[in-house]
Amino acid sequence: KNEVEQSPQNLTAQEGEFITINCSYSVGISALHWLQQHPGGGIVSLFMLSSGKKKHGRLIATINIQEKHSSLHITASHPRDSAVYICAATSYSGGGADGLTFGKGTHLIIQP
Amino acid sequence: EPEVTQTPSHQVTQMGQEVILRCVPISNHLYFYWYRQILGQKVEFLVSFYNNEISEKSEIFDDQFSVERPDGSNFTLKIRSTKLEDSAMYFCASKEWAKDYGYTFGSGTRLTVV
Repeated sequence: KNEVEQSPQNLTAQEGEFITINCSYSVGISALHWLQQHPGGGIVSLFMLSSGKKKHGRLIATINIQEKHSSLHITASHPRDSAVYICAATSYSGGGADGLTFGKGTHLIIQP
Repeated sequence: EPEVTQTPSHQVTQMGQEVILRCVPISNHLYFYWYRQILGQKVEFLVSFYNNEISEKSEIFDDQFSVERPDGSNFTLKIRSTKLEDSAMYFCASKEWAKDYGYTFGSGTRLTVV
């Protein structure tokens, strides 16, 4: 069974700072997902990674398969980035309907 | 942009009552999921559904839970006899293909069992 660990659990930063959130997992995966959850509870998918790096706007996600580690970076952070960022993994099982194993999330607050 | 729609957004029920949570996945998606998040805890996988049958289920998904896709558009989660500990946010999600696409989540149903 995969274990997904995130750090830090809470992060407060000033507007404009470069943000890094880390995620590690215990067993081989087929994909690593970064998700965003706003105070209302809704979950939005940000990235799905199986290797390398992806960029979308000010968000960058990287994964190191050998080290079983992924990072989410936010450049030029803004108060509207304040949310819970969740790492989730899908493990190899041979099928396509695998459920996600979630980390506990990182509660990010960007202060003006 | 296509959305996964969940209804109701909030449901309050008496302990022991049956509840049905409803989801309308994105129309061309093939894989469907239910997750739950107890307040203050991480999101947990309940069940996945593909080709009109359950593909995978977690230990949480015991005999009091069932899922159905009754009409080709709706995807429902039934809890037969609710317990206080079933109080949580329940998320439906769908995915187009097996490996190459991310998930789309609904906005959730907050279930409160009293």
